Amino acid sequence: NAGVMQNPRHLVRRRGQEARLRCSPMKGHSHVYWYRQLPEEGLKFMVYLQKENIIDESGMPKERFSAEFPKEGPSILRIQQVVRGDSAAYFCASSPSTGDGYTFGSGTRLTVV
Amino acid sequence: DAKTTQPPSMDCAEGRAANLPCNHSTISGNEYVYWYRQIHSQGPQYIIHGLKNNETNEMASLIITEDRKSSTLILPHATLRDTAVYYCIVRVAGLNTGNQFYFGTGTSLTVIP
Repeated sequence: NAGVMQNPRHLVRRRGQEARLRCSPMKGHSHVYWYRQLPEEGLKFMVYLQKENIIDESGMPKERFSAEFPKEGPSILRIQQVVRGDSAAYFCASSPSTGDGYTFGSGTRLTVV
Repeated sequence: DAKTTQPPSMDCAEGRAANLPCNHSTISGNEYVYWYRQIHSQGPQYIIHGLKNNETNEMASLIITEDRKSSTLILPHATLRDTAVYYCIVRVAGLNTGNQFYFGTGTSLTVIP
């Protein structure tokens, strides 16, 4: 039973490019959460999704960031026109229901040059 | 916003018990205390959680005070592999807010040979 799979593990983008981060939840999990961790800081909640629905995006920056969790396939966190301040580790977690604890993936480390 | 207070760092001798404190004086009656750890920028790993009773599993013990305003995570025999940042998290429960956790800066535990 594979855990939460995130890819790529490392992503380098030039300023102005787009970054796409993928997250495949654990089998049987239908809830996905994205977090961002800036250097030397704790994780910050970004968005909570269920299949085809965004439930809570209160932690998402208002511009350039979007997330989706389609009926088929992984959840995608998309960052348009990346800037150096977007450099961070992005973690995805999944759960089978809102009553259960999370399982985190290993993260995607985005570096904007 | 994080609702917990933890010391920024602690040391522990290998083989000894590591006792990590956490204050959560504003915890609500239906909120749980969760502990996660993050080893060298990997994805956070679940350790243990509890509501008001003390809990024990194969990794650790969780002692929650009677008034629930503080708790202590105990690693009974710390090893070098327990060196990590430990996060004490109060779970925000709510019908439409999902299951997001609010991470603070945690306690950086260093196990010394």
